[in-house]
Amino acid sequence: DGGITQSPKYLFRKEGQNVTLSCEQNLNHDAMYWYRQDPGQGLRLIYYSQIVNDFQKGDIAEGYSVSREKKESFPLTVTSAQKNPTAFYLCASSPNSLGGELFFGEGSRLTVL
Amino acid sequence: EDQVTQSPEALRLQEGESSSLNCSYTVSGLRGLFWYRQDPGKGPEFLFTLYSAGEEKEKERLKATLTKKESFLHITAPKPEDSATYLCAAGSGGGGNKLTFGTGTQLKVEL
Repeated sequence: DGGITQSPKYLFRKEGQNVTLSCEQNLNHDAMYWYRQDPGQGLRLIYYSQIVNDFQKGDIAEGYSVSREKKESFPLTVTSAQKNPTAFYLCASSPNSLGGELFFGEGSRLTVL
Repeated sequence: EDQVTQSPEALRLQEGESSSLNCSYTVSGLRGLFWYRQDPGKGPEFLFTLYSAGEEKEKERLKATLTKKESFLHITAPKPEDSATYLCAAGSGGGGNKLTFGTGTQLKVEL
């Protein structure tokens, strides 16, 4: 089945540690995105990539980093510089950079202890 | 600044009791209004895209409509399996598929 796979589903981290969230898609989509979801807030865009080896900052990129070495993969690293990293992280893809029809993964819930 | 506001925050319906969810938006150069459904602990699932005022889209018990300032998601004769959070997002001009999401309406349909 085609789709987006995020891992891990749950992750616990100590303060000061970097963690990497995985996102893989087999939909052959060009564009990929990382969103953060917090209670009572709308989804906020962290980073997006429209093509391999290129990515752009979203609205809340500080404390995060990404790479796009393969079309299928768009991992997100939450660094120790992110002041409030506990959140639900969602990866998404779309067939092109103009459409708003996003296909989301199941999400990764990060808790900082 | 682009803004999307959804109301009500939460809605409880009896099975078969029809209602509407509201999404008000203020964006520069709307290039699409999107509805998603999100179940607890899951990623959102795409429902509809609306591009211009007057447009309507239907899927089973759901119908989405669009005006120049707001969109409605009408739920006709809902069932318990329609219980979820419904998210609305507005796409604005500019690169990178810029979407502004609302905070959602949490719908619970009871027997």
